[in-house]
Amino acid sequence: IAGITQAPTSQILAAGRRMTLRCTQDMRHNAMYWYRQDLGLGLRLIHYSNTAGTTGKGEVPDGYSVSRANTDDFPLTLASAVPSQTSVYFCASSITSGSTGELFFGEGSRLTVL
Amino acid sequence: GQNIDQPTEMTATEGAIVQINCTYQTSGFNGLFWYQQHAGEAPTFLSYNVLDGLEEKGRFSSFLSRSKGYSYLLLKELQMKDSASYLCAVRDSNYQLIWGAGTKLIIKP
Repeated sequence: IAGITQAPTSQILAAGRRMTLRCTQDMRHNAMYWYRQDLGLGLRLIHYSNTAGTTGKGEVPDGYSVSRANTDDFPLTLASAVPSQTSVYFCASSITSGSTGELFFGEGSRLTVL
Repeated sequence: GQNIDQPTEMTATEGAIVQINCTYQTSGFNGLFWYQQHAGEAPTFLSYNVLDGLEEKGRFSSFLSRSKGYSYLLLKELQMKDSASYLCAVRDSNYQLIWGAGTKLIIKP
């Protein structure tokens, strides 16, 4: 089934540990995004990539890094996790960054940092 | 700053009609989206408005007034499965999406 796959779906992590959230899409979309969703707040953009080989910072990039080596994969890395990074993380994609088309979301990765 | 406002929670009765409002102040405007998100699940696309007026799609309709910075999502013939959060998002002049915090809709029998 075409779509976006995220892994892991849930993870408990000790503060200070490094963690990579994986995201893969098979829709050949050019643009990909990482959001975090916290209670009472809207989705907040962490990093984005308009096309393979390029990345950009979103609204809340500190403490996170991304790479986009190819069209399909867009991993998000927390170099040294802190409790404030406890959140639900959604990866999303769209045909292009400037398109009027909608975003397609993965099922989310629930991360708890203790 | 950029801001999207929508009510935190609404309650409606099965079979009724409900209107969820969204007001926005953003740097530029390149379209407004509504998404539905069931608890514990990913957001899914409902509608897109870029011109003023009403867009109808089955039981769901979305309205936009760019001059007023205002949109609403209208849900008719409410069903229990419509219990979800409804997210309003505006694409700004940089084509980045600005998201509201979402409106949790509770449907009662």
